[in-house]
Amino acid sequence: KQEVTQIPAALSVPEGENLVLNCSFTDSAIYNLQWFRQDPGKGLTSLLLIQSSQREQTSGRLNASLDKSSGRSTLYIAASQPGDSATYLCAVRWGQGGKLIFGQGTELSVKP
Amino acid sequence: EAQVTQNPRYLITVTGKKLTVTCSQNMNHEYMSWYRQDPGLGLRQIYYSMNVEVTDKGDVPEGYKVSRKEKRNFPLILESPSPNQTSLYFCASSFLAGGWSTGELFFGEGSRLTVL
Repeated sequence: KQEVTQIPAALSVPEGENLVLNCSFTDSAIYNLQWFRQDPGKGLTSLLLIQSSQREQTSGRLNASLDKSSGRSTLYIAASQPGDSATYLCAVRWGQGGKLIFGQGTELSVKP
Repeated sequence: EAQVTQNPRYLITVTGKKLTVTCSQNMNHEYMSWYRQDPGLGLRQIYYSMNVEVTDKGDVPEGYKVSRKEKRNFPLILESPSPNQTSLYFCASSFLAGGWSTGELFFGEGSRLTVL
């Protein structure tokens, strides 16, 4: 069965710290993996998408890596800020369309 | 502005009263999908569509219907809502992944539904 897991469920860090969020998935034959941010009561905002043929993607202070062989992706956030506080979700797509499975998310709190 | 629009954003209804949540996108995306988000269960896919007149079940389709008569619209229909369908619903769309397209998914703002 295809599953996506995010650990920890919640994380609290002081401002300025570099941090890593984890996403694990079963079945390494993924098509792509996408990281999202969700603010309370809001929709999901796309952060980064990694295709199965890629090892990493970068956008500003964010860097996402993909290791299919170990079934893992990490989202690295450099120099965290209070405005980064949100829930971060990863979603895995197996196949070009169709089903997309989300992890349960990591709730990040960055303290000033 | 490129966007996915859902309506209504908030709705309180009673058991058994049919309702429709609309979803519209202006990006000419082939792929559209509905999700529900519940505490402790995360986001679960209800139905998806890969093009006009093509729909398929996600992980939790029971109690829901969808239709895709036009490319831009993908309404979610609850024929006889029940309290266990109280949830936050999201619509999303993308180009089909493959070729030039990464299949990046774009989400609407969500529709909070309460069934009494």
